[in-house]
Amino acid sequence: TQLLEQSPQFLSIQEGENLTVYCNSSSVFSSLQWYRQEPGEGPVLLVTVVTGGEVKKLKRLTFQFGDARKDSSLHITAAQPGDTGLYLCAGALFSSGSARQLTFGSGTQLTVLP
Amino acid sequence: DTEVTQTPKHLVMGMTNKKSLKCEQHMGHRAMYWYKQKAKKPPELMFVYSYEKLSINESVPSRFSPECPNSSLLNLHLHALQPEDSALYLCASSQDPGSTYEQYFGPGTRLTVT
Repeated sequence: TQLLEQSPQFLSIQEGENLTVYCNSSSVFSSLQWYRQEPGEGPVLLVTVVTGGEVKKLKRLTFQFGDARKDSSLHITAAQPGDTGLYLCAGALFSSGSARQLTFGSGTQLTVLP
Repeated sequence: DTEVTQTPKHLVMGMTNKKSLKCEQHMGHRAMYWYKQKAKKPPELMFVYSYEKLSINESVPSRFSPECPNSSLLNLHLHALQPEDSALYLCASSQDPGSTYEQYFGPGTRLTVT
């Protein structure tokens, strides 16, 4: 069972359309990151959300952390071909210990057609 | 500067070869990670080093041997690999193993085992 459910898995849209990607869990996260990855490259950190209900904006991208810190969404307005890539959410669980790890969602492969 | 560098960019090796992957960061981060990633899938955690000590080994086969010579460097030694080990190998670092867990990824090494 995937700890972080990400949807949709694939999304192909026309330039100028809006879209939303969802990341859901039954677990509470201390923080959640969103990454974008292009083919053959490493994931690039887009944003970190920490506080329940937090909303962060990065140009045309809006990120929201659920009030209960169990879910998050990424909304892209007026998508452009340069937004094409694999979008990954990753959450850090509350735990004790010296080294904690991220739990990754399954990823959303976004293709924006010109 | 949030740069993590990895060398080589591409590596082709036979099943009897011994090779090493290298990762470097100069951000003063105290946690470093190795991930394996198959195409269009999320990264899978292999190892975590916390303050230069191995703290997590996700049941990785012994043909993969990590090494952390100092706080800036991370190596992954490869020996007697199998074709199914072909993947993108990602290195990442984070400031503090116990912090908000923002991880910064390198560009990866594309490994092909023939």
